[in-house]
Amino acid sequence: DTAVSQTPKYLVTQMGNDKSIKCEQNLGHDTMYWYKQDSKKFLKIMFSYNNKELIINETVPNRFSPKSPDKAHLNLHINSLELGDSAVYFCASSQDGEGAFFGQGTRLTVV
Amino acid sequence: SQQGEEDPQALSIQEGENATMNCSYKTSINNLQWYRQNSGRGLVHLILIRSNEREKHSGRLRVTLDTSKKSSSLLITASRAADTASYFCATDRGGSNYKLTFGKGTLLTVNP
Repeated sequence: DTAVSQTPKYLVTQMGNDKSIKCEQNLGHDTMYWYKQDSKKFLKIMFSYNNKELIINETVPNRFSPKSPDKAHLNLHINSLELGDSAVYFCASSQDGEGAFFGQGTRLTVV
Repeated sequence: SQQGEEDPQALSIQEGENATMNCSYKTSINNLQWYRQNSGRGLVHLILIRSNEREKHSGRLRVTLDTSKKSSSLLITASRAADTASYFCATDRGGSNYKLTFGKGTLLTVNP
């Protein structure tokens, strides 16, 4: 079983569209994250949740809205997609500050 | 904001050689972690060293931490072609700060 799974793996969409990326972890972790990796491979945190509560929103545009229906899921909805949103988005989870487990990433291409 | 910086940005070595990557950071930390990312894949956690530790080993990996210099190094001994990947350090300030701050990474190429 995959520890942290996110879908879809690839997403190609037009500017202005709305899309969602789903993430699920089966590790029983309390903390989940969304990271964005740009074309230069720089990883930047977007959001972190602990026990379904938003802890960090790292100056992400309002067009990005995370939703955590339960501790095992953290989905990311993006409205009005822009060219600059093209990147790889990673979901991750961790427990008690130990090493994080990452999903395989969702490569978003906005055309 | 605090950010790790790895150097070198890229490192190319022959199989069997050792690879050393360095990481510097700016503020106090609770722990520092190293991750590997193979091309097109997610990050894999390699090792975590706490702020009160100076050295840690895991298999062919050796990590050191110098909190006075705010720096860490990752040594991979007897490298293999399969070690080819990008390596990132990430710092965790602990407490209620649920956030890993990543450096820019070192691209390691191990030539067979």
